[in-house]
Amino acid sequence: KAGVTQTPRYLIKTRGQQVTLSCSPISGHRSVSWYQQTPGQGLQFLFEYFSETQRNKGNFPGRFSGRQFSNSRSEMNVSTLELGDSALYLCASSLIGEEQYFGPGTRLTVT
Amino acid sequence: GENVEQHPSTLSVQEGDSAVIKCTYSDSASNYFPWYKQELGKGPQLIIDIRSNVGEKKDQRIAVTLNKTAKHFSLHITETQPEDSAVYFCAASHNQAGTALIFGKGTTLSVSS
Repeated sequence: KAGVTQTPRYLIKTRGQQVTLSCSPISGHRSVSWYQQTPGQGLQFLFEYFSETQRNKGNFPGRFSGRQFSNSRSEMNVSTLELGDSALYLCASSLIGEEQYFGPGTRLTVT
Repeated sequence: GENVEQHPSTLSVQEGDSAVIKCTYSDSASNYFPWYKQELGKGPQLIIDIRSNVGEKKDQRIAVTLNKTAKHFSLHITETQPEDSAVYFCAASHNQAGTALIFGKGTTLSVSS
């Protein structure tokens, strides 16, 4: 069974731009969560989607948003990029009540 | 909100020794506690998890213990091997689905042969 895939793997953007990251969960997994990983703040929960609805949300500004499609694929969007948004963005999928499986992440660099 | 503290931040052991990493959490409603291993350039990988109705769980060389009263849980790795070298994260969740994980800051484990 294929694992969680994330595209693109690497991305360079300029301050003020917006970016969209994509995540394809493991087949059959309907829950998709997004996390931000930085050296300073560590791993922080952004939001979780289940059946196209946001089920949980972390403490991030409204510039960070996401959505989930009917096939469970998810996208996250960051608008008006800031230097501090440079991070590894991780997507994780799971079955209901089961462990989360993480993808390899998208490395975003904001210059 | 929930806060998870993890110690130590770095740990160096000799091959064959045991390694222990400890975490404390603040939200008594937390009921799911996974441990992840992250190698360079990869996403975190679950190595073991425990739910609040269990005090201890073991999987070969890896074990986790949970003390709900003290609100702390620990990872124990026995007979360490060089391939155990990685960053380890503890996490906690208070929802039934075990999502919306709050992570500790991580422990860099180095096993020298």
